Amino acid sequence: EDQVTQSPEALRLQEGESSSLNCSYTVSGLRGLFWYRQDPGKGPEFLFTLYSAGEEKEKERLKATLTKKESFLHITAPKPEDSATYLCAVPRQSGSARQLTFGSGTQLTVLP
Amino acid sequence: GAGVSQSPSNKVTEKGKDVELRCDPISGHTALYWYRQSLGQGLEFLIYFQGNSAPDKSGLPSDRFSAERTGGSVSTLTIQRTQQEDSAVYLCASSWGANVLTFGAGSRLTVL
Repeated sequence: EDQVTQSPEALRLQEGESSSLNCSYTVSGLRGLFWYRQDPGKGPEFLFTLYSAGEEKEKERLKATLTKKESFLHITAPKPEDSATYLCAVPRQSGSARQLTFGSGTQLTVLP
Repeated sequence: GAGVSQSPSNKVTEKGKDVELRCDPISGHTALYWYRQSLGQGLEFLIYFQGNSAPDKSGLPSDRFSAERTGGSVSTLTIQRTQQEDSAVYLCASSWGANVLTFGAGSRLTVL
């Protein structure tokens, strides 16, 4: 069964304190790994797609990396506006490639 | 439209009543998805529509759940004889191309 596990469940950082979020997955033949950001009361917002081990993507203070078993979302010098829940997802192996299996998310709080 | 629109944003109903949730996807997006997000849990895939193809209903949790998409655009998710465990945020997303989903803000359902 496809599994996506995110850690930590919650993370509190001081503004400017860099850290990383982890997403580990147990699916063979990965067809992409997706990172989304979700603000309270809103739907998830797409951040990145990674397809192969060694790939990296960057957007402002965020950088996503991928290995064969996990992905990291690195946050450099975060600001309070980076506070949100960060979700990762992978397409299911069975059925439609558009069925995404999501992790439970990491709730990030950046304190001023 | 500019984004995925969902209505109602909040719905409170009594156990045993039927509810309908509506999704208006981004114009031109051929794929439409419904997900469910329960408190403290990851997003759970429900159903996927792609063009005129038969929908992928493999995520629907019971036969009380059904969905239709009319004219390749608006979709309605219907839950019959609601139960308390149906309480959740129901998220609709649409896409054009592989897997970059654009989500709506969701419909929060509370079953008393």
